[in-house]
Amino acid sequence: RKEVEQDPGPFNVPEGATVAFNCTYSNSASQSFFWYRQDCRKEPKLLMSVYSSGNEDGRFTAQLNRASQYISLLIRDSKLSDSATYLCAVSSGYSTLTFGKGTMLLVSP
Amino acid sequence: GAVVSQHPSWVICKSGTSVKIECRSLDFQATTMFWYRQFPKQSLMLMATSNEGSKATYEQGVEKDKFLINHASLTLSTLTVTSAHPEDSSFYICSARPSSETQYFGPGTRLLVL
Repeated sequence: RKEVEQDPGPFNVPEGATVAFNCTYSNSASQSFFWYRQDCRKEPKLLMSVYSSGNEDGRFTAQLNRASQYISLLIRDSKLSDSATYLCAVSSGYSTLTFGKGTMLLVSP
Repeated sequence: GAVVSQHPSWVICKSGTSVKIECRSLDFQATTMFWYRQFPKQSLMLMATSNEGSKATYEQGVEKDKFLINHASLTLSTLTVTSAHPEDSSFYICSARPSSETQYFGPGTRLLVL
């Protein structure tokens, strides 16, 4: 089983739609969780950290389910500019990040 | 937010040459920097962890003699791809970590070896 798994997509949604991505991780000792956004041919940019209690930043909501070992990202009211690849990343304490392959999102007019 | 730069942004070279990539943290000091490689439609794969003033820690399968890492200061790490071959063509990205756990990425370097 891969350490961090994501559905590669692509997810094709119309503008204004709500879309959710999941990411599962295999290391139960994982402590820190992040969502990154990567545009084509660019570096990843931190979208948000994921906290145990769940957290929200505008249209974006991240949740963590430790029991089932997955994190999720919900995007409401999708914009064309949300089209990108979304990477989840996991680390065990103050150590290296392990990335998933990413989920591609395509928002169409 | 923290800013990390990389130079060059792209490079084309002949097979057998060596290529040096620089990674700089512009507005913070980073005792630890990370080097990743990303092939098309693949995830970022960690190559090595660069520690200021000490030897880098390489991930399994990454040849330390081929990918030389130097982290001579708290703001600069360099990756040298020695005797590059076409299969080394990839997107190389560095990241740096300030005091928090969050990593900030450089803009990446596209390497094409002919």
